[in-house]
Amino acid sequence: DTAVSQTPKYLVTQMGNDKSIKCEQNLGHDTMYWYKQDSKKFLKIMFSYNNKELIINETVPNRFSPKSPDKAHLNLHINSLELGDSAVYFCASSQEGGGADGYTFGSGTRLTVV
Amino acid sequence: AQSVTQPDIHITVSEGASLELRCNYSYGATPYLFWYVQSPGQGLQLLLKYFSGDTLVQGIKGFEAEFKRSQSSFNLRKPSVHWSDAAEYFCAVGPRGNKLVFGAGTILRVKS
Repeated sequence: DTAVSQTPKYLVTQMGNDKSIKCEQNLGHDTMYWYKQDSKKFLKIMFSYNNKELIINETVPNRFSPKSPDKAHLNLHINSLELGDSAVYFCASSQEGGGADGYTFGSGTRLTVV
Repeated sequence: AQSVTQPDIHITVSEGASLELRCNYSYGATPYLFWYVQSPGQGLQLLLKYFSGDTLVQGIKGFEAEFKRSQSSFNLRKPSVHWSDAAEYFCAVGPRGNKLVFGAGTILRVKS
């Protein structure tokens, strides 16, 4: 009965590989997000989807591609992984598109690129 | 553009002592303000939020925060800290463009 679940929790992969992180929310929220937390714990938004439609696409390399098959799922695919992609990636959701009610976060996916 | 500043990177308090974590924001309109807590290896949990009305808001785990428009601040307080409060705390402001903007976080250490 987890509200926002991400898989996998840990991901170790080599440079150049392609990987995906999955996110699902069972809260009935309309909006989902991907945030990246770097080694200094700084949280920066990457993408936001509202009801399967992309509404925020920050300055993120084209190697990162989000996909939302329905409003309960938002996956993140990363091509040609680089060392600098190592970080913790958080999925989040909110009821109101503006995030005014705050976000519910998943527990994160720690990606390590070697 | 909206921004959040948490001036203290680390704070250490004794168990049972009071706590105040500072947060200053920059935002062009009435902000929505949030405090989140992140325990090691965990996701972020919402402690409390402010939208409007009473400027002193109560949250979970005995935390409270006060919105001061004149100082553009939203400081987090707790009267008596417990060892389990040791974590990293993030202040956030929104919404603009459907996103929350987070501060850099403050690491709280509790000494016994």
